[in-house]
Amino acid sequence: RKEVEQDPGPFNVPEGATVAFNCTYSNSASQSFFWYRQDCRKEPKLLMSVYSSGNEDGRFTAQLNRASQYISLLIRDSKLSDSATYLCVVNIKDRGSTLGRLYFGRGTQLTVWP
Amino acid sequence: GAGVSQSPSNKVTEKGKDVELRCDPISGHTALYWYRQSLGQGLEFLIYFQGNSAPDKSGLPSDRFSAERTGGSVSTLTIQRTQQEDSAVYLCASSLIRANYGYTFGSGTRLTVV
Repeated sequence: RKEVEQDPGPFNVPEGATVAFNCTYSNSASQSFFWYRQDCRKEPKLLMSVYSSGNEDGRFTAQLNRASQYISLLIRDSKLSDSATYLCVVNIKDRGSTLGRLYFGRGTQLTVWP
Repeated sequence: GAGVSQSPSNKVTEKGKDVELRCDPISGHTALYWYRQSLGQGLEFLIYFQGNSAPDKSGLPSDRFSAERTGGSVSTLTIQRTQQEDSAVYLCASSLIRANYGYTFGSGTRLTVV
């Protein structure tokens, strides 16, 4: 079983729509959580961290449910420039490790059309 | 430099040849990671270095793969006797010591084995 599971999509939405992505993780020892964005043929870039209390960054809202091991990303008022693949990421720290390492979901593809 | 620098950006090599990929992390980042991404696939962890600790090599797919990090900075990933299935984008990332920071990725080396 993969550490991080995401619906691969694709999601095709019109400009201005609200779209939500979900993700589940399997390891309860997961310690920190992120959403990354990856444009076609580019490297992943950090979009936002995800906190237990939920957090918002402009049009983007991230939620974490530790009990259900579930992470979500909501994008409001979608823009054409939001078209990309969104990667759900968890950090799992092995015993004895200071940092742990990141486990990536396969990504959810979003296309916003005019 | 300001970001993670990888070289070369593209590499085409003949099957059976050895290749070296280089990563120069962000100055002051103590952790360095190598991932690879095959076409249409998720990110696959390869190896990670953290300060002066022994590297976590658990993701290396075979003994043809090795990596080193000299002086706590630049890292080289070496693939010996390349095979066609090694064709992928090899991504390097670096991170600060605190686990709640994400990684910053370089733009990757696109390796094609012919």
